[in-house]
Amino acid sequence: GAVVSQHPSWVICKSGTSVKIECRSLDFQATTMFWYRQFPKQSLMLMATSNEGSKATYEQGVEKDKFLINHASLTLSTLTVTSAHPEDSSFYICSAAGPSSYEQYFGPGTRLTVT
Amino acid sequence: GENVEQHPSTLSVQEGDSAVIKCTYSDSASNYFPWYKQELGKRPQLIIDIRSNVGEKKDQRIAVTLNKTAKHFSLHITETQPEDSAVYFCAAKAGQAGTALIFGKGTTLSVSS
Repeated sequence: GAVVSQHPSWVICKSGTSVKIECRSLDFQATTMFWYRQFPKQSLMLMATSNEGSKATYEQGVEKDKFLINHASLTLSTLTVTSAHPEDSSFYICSAAGPSSYEQYFGPGTRLTVT
Repeated sequence: GENVEQHPSTLSVQEGDSAVIKCTYSDSASNYFPWYKQELGKRPQLIIDIRSNVGEKKDQRIAVTLNKTAKHFSLHITETQPEDSAVYFCAAKAGQAGTALIFGKGTTLSVSS
């Protein structure tokens, strides 16, 4: 149980375009989902926390107009990178927590490359 | 907010030796402390975790200790094997589902045979 999927697993896009990444909890309802970004040889940095049906809470320094997060249901959250630039190239990982769980369940990640 | 410091950044040991990685946290409200192993290009994999009402937890060759007073926790790996080579992250969070894990910067463990 507690499986989280992400789609796509990797994507290449041109500078200036937008990319949407989906995060799904497959066998449980996730009241809260989290988005992290990981640059090469660095740690996971929290970008935002999203709760189903409400606006996401962004960490300091993360542009909310550039990284659009939608948590429309208890099993789906999406991250849209708008007007992507090469510096947005990174490994994006979502995670989900159930309503009574300490543990966060991680998706497999999405490798974004902006050319 | 929470800040997690992790040391060392790199650790090299011989097969069979023990490895210890240490983390400190800043938020006294944190009550959940997991450790993850991450291989290149993959998701973090939970290897052991501990809650604040416990001082030590062990699972075969892996153990975690927690000192709430000093706000630090450590990962201990005994009888290391080459397949233990990976990047290890500690993390901390306060509360249950609604708050996010905050990660340390990671430790690259290399086990040579």
